[in-house]
Amino acid sequence: NAGVTQTPKFQVLKTGQSMTLQCAQDMNHEYMSWYRQDPGMGLRLIHYSVGAGITDQGEVPNGYNVSRSTTEDFPLRLLSAAPSQTSVYFCASSTSGDTQYFGPGTRLTVL
Amino acid sequence: EDQVTQSPEALRLQEGESSSLNCSYTVSGLRGLFWYRQDPGKGPEFLFTLYSAGEEKEKERLKATLTKKESFLHITAPKPEDSATYLCAVRGAGNNRKLIWGLGTSLAVNP
Repeated sequence: NAGVTQTPKFQVLKTGQSMTLQCAQDMNHEYMSWYRQDPGMGLRLIHYSVGAGITDQGEVPNGYNVSRSTTEDFPLRLLSAAPSQTSVYFCASSTSGDTQYFGPGTRLTVL
Repeated sequence: EDQVTQSPEALRLQEGESSSLNCSYTVSGLRGLFWYRQDPGKGPEFLFTLYSAGEEKEKERLKATLTKKESFLHITAPKPEDSATYLCAVRGAGNNRKLIWGLGTSLAVNP
């Protein structure tokens, strides 16, 4: 099993550009989530999904969109990148929302 | 308001010098307390889940314990490879499966 995979590992964007962070898992987990991690702020939940076709907002959803068309994939879209979105983004999956398995992260810089 | 506080922020130990990390929490109806390890540049890696006061879990040199107000991660005779940031998270009854994360304790073990 590859577990949770994320692409790209690094990305640099200009303000106003859009992009999609990819996340996939091969553990047949129903629950998937996106976090951002910033120094002094800890892990903050952006969006999450409890199954295909079902998504909901976390603590910091503004500026991000998600969709869940399959159990395996949960992409995160930045609509119009801003410097405040410079961060490390982690995708995680779990069977029930408890024990979460994290991907390796995407390091995003917005200039 | 649900809250998780970890202490100390940073800890430096000599190899073999045992110590404990603290995770204090305030949550309505604890549904689970989770410990993760995070190495630099990587995603958090699951260590333990504790559900009720008095519960203990062990893995190699690590032992996690839980009371009604806090959890301790005891590290016995640490080795340099135990150096990492240790994260604590809790889920309460009212959080709709969302985890509340602490800021972590950065542990450095010198040889």
